[in-house]
Amino acid sequence: KNEVEQSPQNLTAQEGEFITINCSYSVGISALHWLQQHPGGGIVSLFMLSSGKKKHGRLIATINIQEKHSSLHITASHPRDSAVYICAVRSTQGGSEKLVFGKGTKLTVNP
Amino acid sequence: GAGVSQSPSNKVTEKGKDVELRCDPISGHTALYWYRQSLGQGLEFLIYFQGNSAPDKSGLPSDRFSAERTGGSVSTLTIQRTQQEDSAVYLCASSFRGLAVYNEQFFGPGTRLTVL
Repeated sequence: KNEVEQSPQNLTAQEGEFITINCSYSVGISALHWLQQHPGGGIVSLFMLSSGKKKHGRLIATINIQEKHSSLHITASHPRDSAVYICAVRSTQGGSEKLVFGKGTKLTVNP
Repeated sequence: GAGVSQSPSNKVTEKGKDVELRCDPISGHTALYWYRQSLGQGLEFLIYFQGNSAPDKSGLPSDRFSAERTGGSVSTLTIQRTQQEDSAVYLCASSFRGLAVYNEQFFGPGTRLTVL
């Protein structure tokens, strides 16, 4: 079992729909990242959080430490939101600073 | 600098040749990370530097892979005797401080390596 599981793997939505992408992890963490990877391959950090909720524009990220679960929400989705969204955790095991990544969720927003 | 830069952006090499990939982190960032993304696969950790030392090399897939960082800045990832399975996008990231500090990693654009 992967340490970081994302669902769904693929998601297709119509423009304007509310999107939710889920991430569950099985290790102790010091931080959780949500990353966006566009078709060209560049990776952009969307959020880094260790508790609660963060909001940036139409994007909202939440984390529940007790349940080891995080969600990324996109309100009023737009075709330019089409990308792969990756959840990554910074594990506290062994004092490592490395990120452990989920396999990503490919989002396609149709006009 | 404005962001993390990597060079070359693309590299095509023949099986058995050595390659060097370069990463220039954001100025002042003491932590530097190398990751790899193979076709159709997720990102995987390779190595992490704090300053010039590498506390975690656990992700390096074989002894053909090595990395160094000099002057607490530029890092070079070297792959010796490349194999076709080394084909991937190699990503570098940097952050201000790595040791048990809540900090954000900034990613470079990656180097796409193709081994023929």
